[in-house]
Amino acid sequence: QSALTQPASVSGSPGQSITISCTGTSSDVGSYNLVSWYQHHPGKAPKLMIYEGIKRPSGVSNRFSGSKSGNTASLTISGLQAEDEADYYCCSYAGSSTFVAFGGGTKLTVL
Amino acid sequence: QVQLQESGPGLVKPSQTLSLTCTVSGDSISSGSYYWSWIRQPAGKGLEWVGRIYTSGSTNYNPSLKSRLTMSVDTSKNQFSLKLSSVTAADTAVYYCASYALYGDYLEYWGQGTLVTVSS
Repeated sequence: QSALTQPASVSGSPGQSITISCTGTSSDVGSYNLVSWYQHHPGKAPKLMIYEGIKRPSGVSNRFSGSKSGNTASLTISGLQAEDEADYYCCSYAGSSTFVAFGGGTKLTVL
Repeated sequence: QVQLQESGPGLVKPSQTLSLTCTVSGDSISSGSYYWSWIRQPAGKGLEWVGRIYTSGSTNYNPSLKSRLTMSVDTSKNQFSLKLSSVTAADTAVYYCASYALYGDYLEYWGQGTLVTVSS
C-alpha cells in the first residue's frame, strides 16, 4: 500500500483538462511544500513534471500545473494531447524517518 | 544535463545479494548538488523509493529495506552502487537510479532502468 493516495485512473478527451489528486497526511504532503510529479511512459525513464508543488522544470509545457490544499496535492493538465497518455506519480518529502513517499500512480488515458 | 545509466546482473538467485551500479555523466558525483538515489518498480506496481546517498557517504534508506540495504559512492569512477541482501521474489523489479535534488527534494534526472529478476 502506497503512502500517498492517487486515483488508479483518469481519462479525458483531447483539449480537455484533467486533475489528478494526491492525498497524504500532515506528516508529508501537509507539512512540506515538497511535492513532485512524474510522468512515466512504460519502458522509459520517468520524467519530472512539477517540483516543490507548483514549479515547472525548464522544457515542461505550461499545460502542466501543480497545486496543494491541506494534505492533498493536485496535478492539472490542460489542453490534453495524445502524448500526455502515461502513468503519473506524485512524491513527497515525508520527514527524517521515512524521507520519501510515492503515490500509487494514476494511469491517464486520452480518449 | 546529467545522464545516469544502471548496470548489473539481470538475474539473482533467492537469498543472494543484488548488486547494481549507476554511472553518472554530465556532472561530478562530488558536485554536492544532489543526493544519488535508487527507486524501484515491481511489475504492474508503482514506484518505491529505495534510498539515497550523498557524496560524503551519508545515507538514508527506506525503513522497510534498511536492514538489507547498503549504498556506496565511488567518486573516482563517478558511480554509486546498491547492494540488497537476502533477496526474494518480492525484490524483482525495474531498478532506476536518479539524481535527488539537495534543495527541493525532487528526482531531477533518471536512468532508463534495469530489470532485476530474483529466481532460481
